[in-house]
Amino acid sequence: QVQLQESGPGLVKPSQTLSLTCTVSGGSISSGSYYWSWIRQPAGKGLEWIGRIYTSGSTNYNPSLKSRVTISVDTSKNQFSLKLSSVTAADTAVYYCARAPYCTNGVCDGSHGMDVWGQGTTVTVSS
Amino acid sequence: QSVLTQPPSASGTPGQRVTISCSGSSSNIGSNYVYWYQQLPGTAPKLLIYRNNQRPSGVPDRFSGSKSGTSASLAISGLRSEDEADYYCAAWDDSLSGPEVVFGGGTKLTVL
Repeated sequence: QVQLQESGPGLVKPSQTLSLTCTVSGGSISSGSYYWSWIRQPAGKGLEWIGRIYTSGSTNYNPSLKSRVTISVDTSKNQFSLKLSSVTAADTAVYYCARAPYCTNGVCDGSHGMDVWGQGTTVTVSS
Repeated sequence: QSVLTQPPSASGTPGQRVTISCSGSSSNIGSNYVYWYQQLPGTAPKLLIYRNNQRPSGVPDRFSGSKSGTSASLAISGLRSEDEADYYCAAWDDSLSGPEVVFGGGTKLTVL
């Protein structure tokens, strides 16, 4: 059973770069075909998709965050990471990592949703 | 303001059938699949429905999804107390800026 665990600083200063890591356990990040995503949720508010990286390394980002976001994979550590630059208080949120399979039940088109989520980690942007 | 529109709240009594709507546009729901996520209090979201109406393994058949045009719905039959949660719809949006996943604002379901 694959599990995801987010980690990183809980407090980041304004204008600095937020860096989070998602560690994949119970399976190899490079086996199979999966999208690895980041989603965030401000306290008491809804979900916002940040972006994703495919097993091959290709990425898609939320256009509203694209200029500040980088998602990367480190297969040697079985991890993928999020970097969000020039943060402000508006970036304060719970950050989730999630997995989306490219294939399910013989259908391979990446349309199967995010089926495994980490528990989330709270990041506060404050001086 | 969310790209997909959901009612902020819904309620029902145990055993009832409730539906939650999700309204979008031609660039998202109208041309892409709809997903539904359930978020129990204090926990991470859980995939409930994918490809408009498919249930992942382990999701009870009390939960069903449908889509028509630029709108979608989640129906929960035989409502149970443990269904009390926030529900979010989602879809890919083929925006001019590039494809992105968009979510509804969420619907808080109360079991009376």
